[in-house]
Amino acid sequence: AQKVTQAQTEISVVEKEDVTLDCVYETRDTTYYLFWYKQPPSGELVFLIRRNSFDEQNEISGRYSWNFQKSTSSFNFTITASQVVDSAVYFCALSSSGGSYIPTFGRGTSLIVHP
Amino acid sequence: EPEVTQTPSHQVTQMGQEVILRCVPISNHLYFYWYRQILGQKVEFLVSFYNNEISEKSEIFDDQFSVERPDGSNFTLKIRSTKLEDSAMYFCASTKLLQGGTEAFFGQGTRLTVV
Repeated sequence: AQKVTQAQTEISVVEKEDVTLDCVYETRDTTYYLFWYKQPPSGELVFLIRRNSFDEQNEISGRYSWNFQKSTSSFNFTITASQVVDSAVYFCALSSSGGSYIPTFGRGTSLIVHP
Repeated sequence: EPEVTQTPSHQVTQMGQEVILRCVPISNHLYFYWYRQILGQKVEFLVSFYNNEISEKSEIFDDQFSVERPDGSNFTLKIRSTKLEDSAMYFCASTKLLQGGTEAFFGQGTRLTVV
């Protein structure tokens, strides 16, 4: 069975603060894939990043960075110098062969960035 | 950039009525999914579809639900007799491959309101 836990239900920050969204996953498979999606107030799901279990290199894309640590089964997402437009619900997801590669989502973290 | 498109964006229906939600996946994708998100809650897997048949389905996907790919482009979700608790955002998604952890691309969603 696979499971994704996003313990933070809601985070509120002031613009320009850095913020980290936590994601902890569970899977018995050695090959698996992790994803982050953004759901802005308009409701759509926007793909942000994919990571496979063999690649623990952290990634940076502009103000976004991701920290993948297999030792703690975590795939955390950091937004540097947050902006009001970052306000959204962020979902972490996992797919693996044990789950037929069907993405399983966490409950999401609602990020509110105040001006 | 290719995208998954869903219609309608919002559907209001009376309890007991049948609804059909429509999706056009990305043209060279082979795997199709429907997910559901009850307001403010997690994104839940309903069903996956490959090679013109259901490959996986969740316990949510009971006999009231059916999926179809009536032609080469559309992928539909039918709810035969809607209930109040079917009110949710329904997302269609598609992926090119299964293994390899290709990210699922999601449509913008159809918000279904059952009254």
